[in-house]
Amino acid sequence: AQSVSQHNHHVILSEAASLELGCNYSYGGTVNLFWYVQYPGQHLQLLLKYFSGDPLVKGIKGFEAEFIKSKFSFNLRKPSVQWSDTAEYFCAVNGAEDSGYALNFGKGTSLLVTP
Amino acid sequence: DSGVTQTPKHLITATGQRVTLRCSPRSGDLSVYWYQQSLDQGLQFLIQYYNGEERAKGNILERFSAQQFPDLHSELNLSSLELGDSALYFCASSDRRPNGLETQYFGPGTRLLVL
Repeated sequence: AQSVSQHNHHVILSEAASLELGCNYSYGGTVNLFWYVQYPGQHLQLLLKYFSGDPLVKGIKGFEAEFIKSKFSFNLRKPSVQWSDTAEYFCAVNGAEDSGYALNFGKGTSLLVTP
Repeated sequence: DSGVTQTPKHLITATGQRVTLRCSPRSGDLSVYWYQQSLDQGLQFLIQYYNGEERAKGNILERFSAQQFPDLHSELNLSSLELGDSALYFCASSDRRPNGLETQYFGPGTRLLVL
């Protein structure tokens, strides 16, 4: 079964600092990868997704992620964070057909950006 | 706003009771997924429907059931509730037959508290 691990559970950064959140998945087949963000009190929103092609994916709000197949990784990056980026970030991978391609989520990383 | 609506937003009930959570997918979306988010288990897939038919099951307890109606809204029924069922329940929808390439759009969730 597919699984996703996010290395950092809690991250605290100052505004303008660079961000990198780690995500590793375990699955030997073709994968589709996602990063979702959950702002306080809000629903999950899609930041970016990777299906195929260019392994460097650009998403909304200045976020990007790089798919490195050899490392089974899909790390999320942002060059300069803002206070408004304070949120929970979830990495996810599509399950297989027998799971209806439902998303398998990591445990999430809580990001706090301080002024 | 993702276009997915869920009611109620909050639900407080007692152990042993039964509740029904409702989800209306985005206009035109045929697929509905249910997820449970708890502190200890994280985000877990429960069940998926496509155009009224159950497509896949995840970690859904036998006490839980769901259905998707002809108007495509879905209901998740939780019965014989236990304290451990307290969680945030999300519904997500997508616009295509599940094939791993769809994007799931999440609703705001229903927060269930079992006392």
